[in-house]
Amino acid sequence: DIQMTQSPSALSASVGDRVTITCRASQSINSWLAWYQQKPGKAPKLLIYKASSLDSGVPSRFSGSGSGTEFTLTITNLQPDDFATYYCHQYSTYSRTFGQGTSLEIK
Amino acid sequence: QVHLVESGGGVVQPGRSLRLSCVTSGFTLSSYTMHWVRQAPGKGLEWVALISFDGNNQYYADSVKGRFTISRDTSKNTLLLQMTSLRAGDTAIYYCARSLTRSSGSMGFWGQGTLVTVSS
Repeated sequence: DIQMTQSPSALSASVGDRVTITCRASQSINSWLAWYQQKPGKAPKLLIYKASSLDSGVPSRFSGSGSGTEFTLTITNLQPDDFATYYCHQYSTYSRTFGQGTSLEIK
Repeated sequence: QVHLVESGGGVVQPGRSLRLSCVTSGFTLSSYTMHWVRQAPGKGLEWVALISFDGNNQYYADSVKGRFTISRDTSKNTLLLQMTSLRAGDTAIYYCARSLTRSSGSMGFWGQGTLVTVSS
């Protein structure tokens, strides 16, 4: 199975900041990567698919980049609603895998 | 609009079976790949299984292979997960999710989840 490693595991930031979360795959997944946001007690929400495509209704302060084995999720001008846990997810193979998650907390 | 509602969770003893359901609406079940994803208490997301849009292919995580079966009843717009030989490690919230588009691998729509607790 393809392993997905996110860094950092936790991140503290302030409203208005720019943050970057990295996801590394154990082998190439081309651009078959999605990012999800999850808030406590809620289901995950798709933010980005195919590494850099923004899902409908997702604010433009979210962006994704990368291909192959290294990917990033960047959030600019952090808003209070953005403090949550973020997961990357590869769908290059039929055995799908998620990263372990990055908890974004208010500083 | 797209709506997914899971049910069937509860407390079950180790070694027993349980069947989860996900009633769908707002789209044609036979046109989309569907997934089950779980989340143990306080832990991250774990993909469990998928059934292809045409229903011909099912794939499973190694942790559940041979014990869980994903299926669907298109006449009832329902996705199913039959879980057997349950273990304490299967304790989790189970979410059903729909692919964003027919050909997409990302999960664009999620249910609210149903909690399965495996305990004696």
